[in-house]
Amino acid sequence: DSGVTQTPKHLITATGQRVTLRCSPRSGDLSVYWYQQSLDQGLQFLIHYYNGEERAKGNILERFSAQQFPDLHSELNLSSLELGDSALYFCASSVGDIQYFGAGTRLSVL
Amino acid sequence: SQQGEEDPQALSIQEGENATMNCSYKTSINNLQWYRQNSGRGLVHLILIRSNEREKHSGRLRVTLDTSKKSSSLLITASRAADTASYFCATENNQGGKLIFGQGTELSVKP
Repeated sequence: DSGVTQTPKHLITATGQRVTLRCSPRSGDLSVYWYQQSLDQGLQFLIHYYNGEERAKGNILERFSAQQFPDLHSELNLSSLELGDSALYFCASSVGDIQYFGAGTRLSVL
Repeated sequence: SQQGEEDPQALSIQEGENATMNCSYKTSINNLQWYRQNSGRGLVHLILIRSNEREKHSGRLRVTLDTSKKSSSLLITASRAADTASYFCATENNQGGKLIFGQGTELSVKP
């Protein structure tokens, strides 16, 4: 168990809908990262938050947004969902160089 | 786009044999890390090697890094069926801690 908690584990929704994925980092970790894993793109970095502030953005679509709250949990919001958004979404937290990954949320857009 | 290329894409060996996976990357890095993923589950950190290191060991794992060739290798010695998983290299440069992952090597260890 990495200590990083992601909910829900599975999410099935329809095109055009909006979903929110939640991540609770390890106790004491200030950094939260979001990654997307799909068969065609592999593991892609989406966004990094540190202590509530956005630090870096990757290839994150404009339809996606994230935030980190004062209690350090983070949410990834995905809107106007398309079939191609179906993927595993991971968050990771870190203090230092090593990132600890949650078990992921598997999103299926039908 | 992916930073790293891994090779082979898939590797099948017998228990007790050694497994070697290779990773190449494109830009300068602060460190290179190897992660393991079991069947679509979360990634587990295995080992980190910094850009000024050439070799590192952890248990049955040995990692090498050649920054002049922008490549790394992961050796798993005396493999076990429980080592069956996908293995990813990931590089971190000086852009705020994000990891850039390779496509992974799928390792199958047959008992």
